Amino acid sequence: GAGVSQTPSNKVTEKGKYVELRCDPISGHTALYWYRQSLGQGPEFLIYFQGTGAADDSGLPNDRFFAVRPEGSVSTLKIQRTERGDSAVYLCASSSRQGMNTEAFFGQGTRLTVV
Amino acid sequence: EDKVVQSPLSLVVHEGDTVTLNCSYEVTNFRSLLWYKQEKKAPTFLFMLTSSGIEKKSGRLSSILDKKELSSILNITATQTGDSAIYLCAVGEYGNKLVFGAGTILRVKS
Repeated sequence: GAGVSQTPSNKVTEKGKYVELRCDPISGHTALYWYRQSLGQGPEFLIYFQGTGAADDSGLPNDRFFAVRPEGSVSTLKIQRTERGDSAVYLCASSSRQGMNTEAFFGQGTRLTVV
Repeated sequence: EDKVVQSPLSLVVHEGDTVTLNCSYEVTNFRSLLWYKQEKKAPTFLFMLTSSGIEKKSGRLSSILDKKELSSILNITATQTGDSAIYLCAVGEYGNKLVFGAGTILRVKS
């Protein structure tokens, strides 16, 4: 596609529920990143994929968070047993340059609200 | 702990003014410094800086990196209401993640 696409744009869920957030990167981009942005803060790194594999998942806050990219294109961020503190905008970005984090193009994000 | 600090936190100016936004960083494995403009949700890329002292320019925006001082500035001249946004500074590390500052909220009044 023309840009990074994220769905849904907004998600409201109840505490304790499971959610999946989807990211469709720019066609041909091998690198894919997930970030989380809370109100008044900059985006916080969660995980980076190079192809199908998670090259760096050091930003995932705990084992309730998991992400996959089975075919090296679309990625899904999965959150189990959601908590109110998980409420944030989840941003996905993709980049064409292997080994570099430059000119990463961001999607519009998914605003997750846990009530 | 790696950190990126931006100042000021927010700024209100009038159309036509010139603004300077600041970014300082402390990171272990510096590769590059990037500036993004964020309106609504998606940050849009402005500049990437890797070398000290070389100004990057795009229209009314310009930016420069000082690796000795571990800092960068973003200048916007002849500001317009469309420049109102959050400006994010991020440092790219070896290992491919970006470490972001909290951003500067710029509001340009007509």
